[in-house]
Amino acid sequence: AQSVAQPEDQVNVAEGNPLTVKCTYSVSGNPYLFWYVQYPNRGLQFLLKYITGDNLVKGSYGFEAEFNKSQTSFHLKKPSALVSDSALYFCAVRDLYGSSNTGKLIFGQGTTLQVKP
Amino acid sequence: NAGVMQNPRHLVRRRGQEARLRCSPMKGHSHVYWYRQLPEEGLKFMVYLQKENIIDESGMPKERFSAEFPKEGPSILRIQQVVRGDSAAYFCASSPGQGGNTIYFGEGSWLTVV
Repeated sequence: AQSVAQPEDQVNVAEGNPLTVKCTYSVSGNPYLFWYVQYPNRGLQFLLKYITGDNLVKGSYGFEAEFNKSQTSFHLKKPSALVSDSALYFCAVRDLYGSSNTGKLIFGQGTTLQVKP
Repeated sequence: NAGVMQNPRHLVRRRGQEARLRCSPMKGHSHVYWYRQLPEEGLKFMVYLQKENIIDESGMPKERFSAEFPKEGPSILRIQQVVRGDSAAYFCASSPGQGGNTIYFGEGSWLTVV
């Protein structure tokens, strides 16, 4: 079965410091990977995706993610965190190889990012 | 280009009533997905529809829940005889296709069952 895992429920970082939110995946083919952010009582906003090509993907709001096939990881990063980055972050994989393989997104449990001033 | 539009944003229903949640996909998008987010939990897939067809309903509860995406008009998620456990945020998302296409989410409909 296709899946993603976010091993940290919460990540705390000081403003101005680099941040990393971890994601590992398990798929039986080439993965299509996504990151979304959710602010309180709001919907999910798309940040970036990896389909193919360069392993370093740049996205919205200064975020980037590195695809690592050997470690089956797709960690979200930002060089300098802002207090306004505090939110819930979801990693997701497109279900293209599972028993249903209908292309729906399968989400990790989410990681709360807390950036302190 | 308007995003994915969901309404109502907030809905309160008494136990036993029906809840209808509506979703208009982004312009040009023919694929619609519904997800549910329970308090303090992640997003759970419910159903995937294309115009007039249910493609994947593997996440839908067997009873009381139904979804449609008619040829004209919005997609509807219908919950009959609501119970307290149905209280959640329901998110609709749309995409122009499968594969590497991005799936965009609406702002959600928050259902509270009292």
